[in-house]
Amino acid sequence: GAVVSQHPSRVICKSGTSVKIECRSLDFQATTMFWYRQFPKQSLMLMATSNEGSKATYEQGVEKDKFLINHASLTLSTLTVTSAHPEDSSFYICSPMDWEHIRETQYFGPGTRLLVL
Amino acid sequence: AQSVSQHNHHVILSEAASLELGCNYSYGGTVNLFWYVQYPGQHLQLLLKYFSGDPLVKGIKGFEAEFIKSKFSFNLRKPSVQWSDTAEYFCAVSGNTPLVFGKGTRLSVIA
Repeated sequence: GAVVSQHPSRVICKSGTSVKIECRSLDFQATTMFWYRQFPKQSLMLMATSNEGSKATYEQGVEKDKFLINHASLTLSTLTVTSAHPEDSSFYICSPMDWEHIRETQYFGPGTRLLVL
Repeated sequence: AQSVSQHNHHVILSEAASLELGCNYSYGGTVNLFWYVQYPGQHLQLLLKYFSGDPLVKGIKGFEAEFIKSKFSFNLRKPSVQWSDTAEYFCAVSGNTPLVFGKGTRLSVIA
């Protein structure tokens, strides 16, 4: 399967700070990147979809000014949680995709666990 | 809009017991169906997928799932579970859209 990396794997930050999460598709050109969030004991919820070189599309209820997504290249996308608060503590997972292969398996990064104190 | 329902929140089984996890979906068009597993502290891994053809799909680690179109179901089965199968299992559906996940079923296998 495709190799997807995320960095950092775990981060603890103070309330009010910003955290950047990187997602790289190492052997795969991701024309599209999906960002998911998983709260404890809950399912993955899609936060946003970004296409390389374009602005991201956010799901209902997800603040675009709080969760900044940059998808500047086919192998790298970043999610920045701005002015993080304790309620943003969650597990963030990226999923790169090539729309030509949308019917194929969707791969996932290992996730980034964010804890905001 | 697509939705996925997993009936069991937490299943506890003894080793060698048989497993069946329920999954029902709601979607009007052609769907692709998936089961993912998430072992403790690890990322999602694909167990199996169904796109078309034989509705009985075999995946890794002895898992299989059956697509029953009339019931909008895609239940996951394994004839004999092992302690190492302890994990969270997610059913997901896609119809040329990003995956939509069910809430997951936690499987605990005890010796």
